[in-house]
Amino acid sequence: QVQLQGSGPGLVKPSQTLSLTCAVSGGSVSSGGYWWTWIRQRPGKGLEWIAYIHDTGSSDSNPSLKSRVSVSIDTSQNQFSLKLTSVTVADTAVYFCARESPMDGESLDLWGRGTLVTVSS
Amino acid sequence: DIQMTQSPSSLSASVGDTVVITCRASRSIGGYLNWYQQKQGKAPQLLISSASSLQSGAPSRFRGSGSGTDFTLTISSLQPEDFATYYCQQSYSVPRTFGGGTKVDIK
Repeated sequence: QVQLQGSGPGLVKPSQTLSLTCAVSGGSVSSGGYWWTWIRQRPGKGLEWIAYIHDTGSSDSNPSLKSRVSVSIDTSQNQFSLKLTSVTVADTAVYFCARESPMDGESLDLWGRGTLVTVSS
Repeated sequence: DIQMTQSPSSLSASVGDTVVITCRASRSIGGYLNWYQQKQGKAPQLLISSASSLQSGAPSRFRGSGSGTDFTLTISSLQPEDFATYYCQQSYSVPRTFGGGTKVDIK
């Protein structure tokens, strides 16, 4: 079955760029018309939608983060990525990659385990 | 952005109880409402999509209802494995937004 595996540095210094990748196994990022999504959860807090990207390259992001967020997709590597620039301690969170399904009410029907990213000097 | 307001933020219940969680959207989202269950240290898991469609493999004691701005998640005959945090999420517009969560713990 399709699985998502996020990866990236667990520690990022303030003002630097957070970079995460989500590898898709058991399926293709190019099939199904899915929107490949990033969500984060600050310690002890709720869920925050960051951005998503389609295999066509179309993407959108949360206005609260828009100036700092970029998402990309690499169909040859079957993965998608997130970059968040100029990070601060407020960006410390578990970052989840997920799949939004157009066949299921645009719900997030598949999630990766989550990657804890700590922003600290 | 569409604001999603969940209530209560937490509740204590016993095994066998029926629990009702509500979610209100700041404007109409039709049926574009999803419910997720998150256990401690784990990724959320989709329970119900499109307000009332139970995901394959999810127990039938979970039921979602509502449309427009008001939605409910009902858990009948609460089981030990149901103690978790539940989130609603609207998928009507971007940015997608989540409710603040409802933590269900053991009384």
